[in-house]
Amino acid sequence: QKEVEQNSGPLSVPEGAIASLNCTYSDRGSQSFFWYRQYSGKSPELIMFIYSNGDKEDGRFTAQLNKASQYVSLLIRDSQPSDSATYLCAVTFSGGYNKLIFGAGTRLAVHP
Amino acid sequence: DAGVIQSPRHEVTEMGQEVTLRCKPISGHDYLFWYRQTMMRGLELLIYFNNNVPIDDSGMPEDRFSAKMPNASFSTLKIQPSEPRDSAVYFCASSSSGGGNQPQHFGDGTRLSIL
Repeated sequence: QKEVEQNSGPLSVPEGAIASLNCTYSDRGSQSFFWYRQYSGKSPELIMFIYSNGDKEDGRFTAQLNKASQYVSLLIRDSQPSDSATYLCAVTFSGGYNKLIFGAGTRLAVHP
Repeated sequence: DAGVIQSPRHEVTEMGQEVTLRCKPISGHDYLFWYRQTMMRGLELLIYFNNNVPIDDSGMPEDRFSAKMPNASFSTLKIQPSEPRDSAVYFCASSSSGGGNQPQHFGDGTRLSIL
């Protein structure tokens, strides 16, 4: 069974803090990893993607990948109330080219 | 650039009726995906196409669901007959190829309610 696991939250952080969102996956052969943000009643919106071990930074967002531990995370620095949303981790599995398996999502609440 | 376009945005219909959802992918994208999202099951892949050809329909829940992609700019997802448990938000997404697993871009979705 191909699985992507996320803590459902809510993860509550104060404005200006670092929010850390975590995701584990079951398939060691996974190659591509994506983070989507979904506001209530809206569609998933791509935040970042990462293919290689290590960190990838884009503005206030940093994706971290550790394939040995089958773990991917998203850090949001200087969190803002507008970052309050559900964050979906998505992973491609070996043999499923371009086919994404989504986690259930972590709800993030940034309070002023 | 225009994103993925879905129609209708909302659909309310009675059990037993046929429902047709429509999607126009981003121009130049050769992968198209249909997803269903519910509170209980999250975001589930139903079917995806590459170059208009269905590649994997293992997520289609049952024979009442069918999907077609007659050309590169249009796809439909049909439910016949519809049932209350089909109520969900249905998303269409598209991506390009290009030698790797490219990000998928989602449409605004169709919120379907079966009474």
